[in-house]
Amino acid sequence: DTAVSQTPKYLVTQMGNDKSIKCEQNLGHDTMYWYKQDSKKFLKIMFSYNNKELIINETVPNRFSPKSPDKAHLNLHINSLELGDSAVYFCASSQDQGAHGYTFGSGTRLTVV
Amino acid sequence: EDKVVQSPLSLVVHEGDTVTLNCSYEVTNFRSLLWYKQEKKAPTFLFMLTSSGIEKKSGRLSSILDKKELSSILNITATQTGDSAIYLCAVVPYGGATNKLIFGTGTLLAVQP
Repeated sequence: DTAVSQTPKYLVTQMGNDKSIKCEQNLGHDTMYWYKQDSKKFLKIMFSYNNKELIINETVPNRFSPKSPDKAHLNLHINSLELGDSAVYFCASSQDQGAHGYTFGSGTRLTVV
Repeated sequence: EDKVVQSPLSLVVHEGDTVTLNCSYEVTNFRSLLWYKQEKKAPTFLFMLTSSGIEKKSGRLSSILDKKELSSILNITATQTGDSAIYLCAVVPYGGATNKLIFGTGTLLAVQP
């Protein structure tokens, strides 16, 4: 059983399109996150939800909108995709709001052409 | 601004060598430091360090934190090709609901046969 699963694993799309990435965790964790890893492999937090409530919202364009229907799911919707959005997006979850580390999903490689 | 810096950025060694990876941080209200290994997909957890001077060990890998020097090292002895990966250091600051991981840029380790 995959602990944190993301779909799709790969996404190739044209500029201007709208796309969504889904994430689900079956660990019973109370907090979920979206991280972006750029071409230089630098991981940076985008959003954090705790029990469906938005906790962290870093400086991310408004085109990115997270949605958490319940504490086991955190989806990421991106409007009007741009070339610079190309990256690997990781979903993660944790207990105790991340104090003891995260469990990461396998990532979604987004390529905008 | 909170910052985590890793060195070297990349490293090439031969099987059997011992390597030391460095992580230094400037973080307000330090809580813990974590090491992750990232191969092709998700970062996988290696160690969490909260107290200075106490070595954590797992097989050929070990790590120690020095809060006075604001740094940590990750040692890998008798390296194997399977150790080739990006090693990520991340710090968790105290912050109530905002316990986000602040990642360093990673060290790319390549172990040659």
